[in-house]
Amino acid sequence: GAVVSQHPSRVICKSGTSVKIECRSLDFQATTMFWYRQFPKQSLMLMATSNEGSKATYEQGVEKDKFLINHASLTLSTLTVTSAHPEDSSFYICSARDRASGAPYEQYFGPGTRLTVT
Amino acid sequence: AQSVTQPDIHITVSEGASLELRCNYSYGATPYLFWYVQSPGQGLQLLLKYFSGDTLVQGIKGFEAEFKRSQSSFNLRKPSVHWSDAAEYFCAVVLYTGTASKLTFGTGTRLQVTL
Repeated sequence: GAVVSQHPSRVICKSGTSVKIECRSLDFQATTMFWYRQFPKQSLMLMATSNEGSKATYEQGVEKDKFLINHASLTLSTLTVTSAHPEDSSFYICSARDRASGAPYEQYFGPGTRLTVT
Repeated sequence: AQSVTQPDIHITVSEGASLELRCNYSYGATPYLFWYVQSPGQGLQLLLKYFSGDTLVQGIKGFEAEFKRSQSSFNLRKPSVHWSDAAEYFCAVVLYTGTASKLTFGTGTRLQVTL
């Protein structure tokens, strides 16, 4: 149980275009989902926290207008990178917190999406 | 400031040898602590977690970790490493920002296993 999927696993887009990444909790309801960014050989940096039905909370330094997050249902959150540039190339990982879990603060991670902007 | 530190960036051990990966946290209260493993190009897999109770925690794949409050540490151990354990290991702690809690990761330790 507690499986999180991401789609696509890899995406290549041209500079100036937008790309959408989906994060789904497959067997549980997630009231809270998180988006992380990971540069090569570095740790995960939290970008934003999204709660179902409300606006996402972005971490300091993350551009809200560039990284649009939507959490429209209890099983789906999307991250849209708008007007992508090569510096947005990175590994994006989502995670979700199980609404019904008795374990506080535990997050289940997706497999990640490799974004390359050419 | 609240933080989590992994002092070792890269560790190399021989297959069959024991392993200990260090993790230190800076936090006033008892934190919630996690160890994750990440294979290249993959997401994170939870190895084990500590919330309360017994300070020696057993995880998957033969890993264990011990919470030591006096040393502010949560080191990960395995008695005999397998070549498939080669990966990146992240210690993480739930930190409070005043209005919310978030999972904060250490910088990671890359484990290399030699045959």
